[in-house]
Amino acid sequence: GAVVSQHPSRVICKSGTSVKIECRSLDFQATTMFWYRQFPKQSLMLMATSNEGSKATYEQGVEKDKFLINHASLTLSTLTVTSAHPEDSSFYICSARGGRSSYNEQFFGPGTRLTVL
Amino acid sequence: DAKTTQPPSMDCAEGRAANLPCNHSTISGNEYVYWYRQIHSQGPQYIIHGLKNNETNEMASLIITEDRKSSTLILPHATLRDTAVYYCIVRVFYSGNTPLVFGKGTRLSVIA
Repeated sequence: GAVVSQHPSRVICKSGTSVKIECRSLDFQATTMFWYRQFPKQSLMLMATSNEGSKATYEQGVEKDKFLINHASLTLSTLTVTSAHPEDSSFYICSARGGRSSYNEQFFGPGTRLTVL
Repeated sequence: DAKTTQPPSMDCAEGRAANLPCNHSTISGNEYVYWYRQIHSQGPQYIIHGLKNNETNEMASLIITEDRKSSTLILPHATLRDTAVYYCIVRVFYSGNTPLVFGKGTRLSVIA
């Protein structure tokens, strides 16, 4: 299957700082990328959907000014958590879907563990 | 997308077959059954999908009942590395920008 990478895999930051997470599709062009968040022992919750060159669509309850998503190219999307607080500590997972995928699959990154002190 | 129901947890002895059930009684004619799994602290991994025929690949087999209201994912020889949360998801094949929506899944524990 196609490969999606995330960087960093783990980040610890102080409260009030901003953190940027990168998501890259390594061997295909991702026309659509999705960002999920997962709290301990819970399922994945969709945060937003982004198409290359367009503004992201956020799910209800997700603050777009706090979670900035940029999808400037077909292989890169970034999620910036602005003014992070301890309650933003979570496992963030990106997913990509390519227009050429014959199964219309979503390919998932390995996730980024964010800890806000 | 149709709703699915899965047992919250299951145990399986190493080397035995793991049979994970999923109910999707409201599935529509154009909806497929997808299975993903998530090993602890990793991103979800695609396993298999099917419409109405049974499917098999190198990872698992998918058995869908004739009325398509339920299905079973079979891991023929479970290993400790198969310990994960397994998600059954029902959705149309070409869904454009519609993302996968994850329920609570089944936590499979493979025991030595």
